[in-house]
Amino acid sequence: DGGITQSPKYLFRKEGQNVTLSCEQNLNHDAMYWYRQDPGQGLRLIYYSQIVNDFQKGDIAEGYSVSREKKESFPLTVTSAQKNPTAFYLCASTALADRTTEAFFGQGTRLTVV
Amino acid sequence: ELKVEQNPLFLSMQEGKNYTIYCNYSTTSDRLYWYRQDPGKSLESLFVLLSNGAVKQEGRLMASLDTKARLSTLHITAAVHDLSATYFCAVGGLENQGGKLIFGQGTELSVKP
Repeated sequence: DGGITQSPKYLFRKEGQNVTLSCEQNLNHDAMYWYRQDPGQGLRLIYYSQIVNDFQKGDIAEGYSVSREKKESFPLTVTSAQKNPTAFYLCASTALADRTTEAFFGQGTRLTVV
Repeated sequence: ELKVEQNPLFLSMQEGKNYTIYCNYSTTSDRLYWYRQDPGKSLESLFVLLSNGAVKQEGRLMASLDTKARLSTLHITAAVHDLSATYFCAVGGLENQGGKLIFGQGTELSVKP
């Protein structure tokens, strides 16, 4: 079955550590996105990518980095520069050329600083 | 800059009542999505609206799109407790914007007996 997979489901980070969240899709979608959601809040865009080897900053990119070396994969690194990383992180993908296709979401990664 | 605003942000309804959630957006877009999110879960797609005047219905939910007014509505008919969730609209996906997809703040719906 096609879908979008995020891992891990739960992640604990110590102060000063970098951590990487995985996002993989087998839907052949060209666009991929990372969002951050804080409790009781909406989704804020961190980074997005339309094609391989290209990506753009969203509204809250500081303290985060991404790569898009393969169409299927869009990992997010939360760096030590991100001072308040505890949040729910959601990855999404969509087919930009097919307007009838919605954006599909992974199950999310819940990151906690310990 | 693409901005998306929903209202109301919180909605407490009695079962059996009707209500509408509004989604306004700031720039032209060729697609608008509605999603549902249950507590602690990811987002589930409800509707994709692509053209002016588009209307889609699923059960007690009906979504519509007015591209001239840059407005979409999600109408709830005869609410039931199972509809309690947070509802998001999202706009974007234009290739000339790098496919940027922006969400509204969400409307937290609580349906009470």
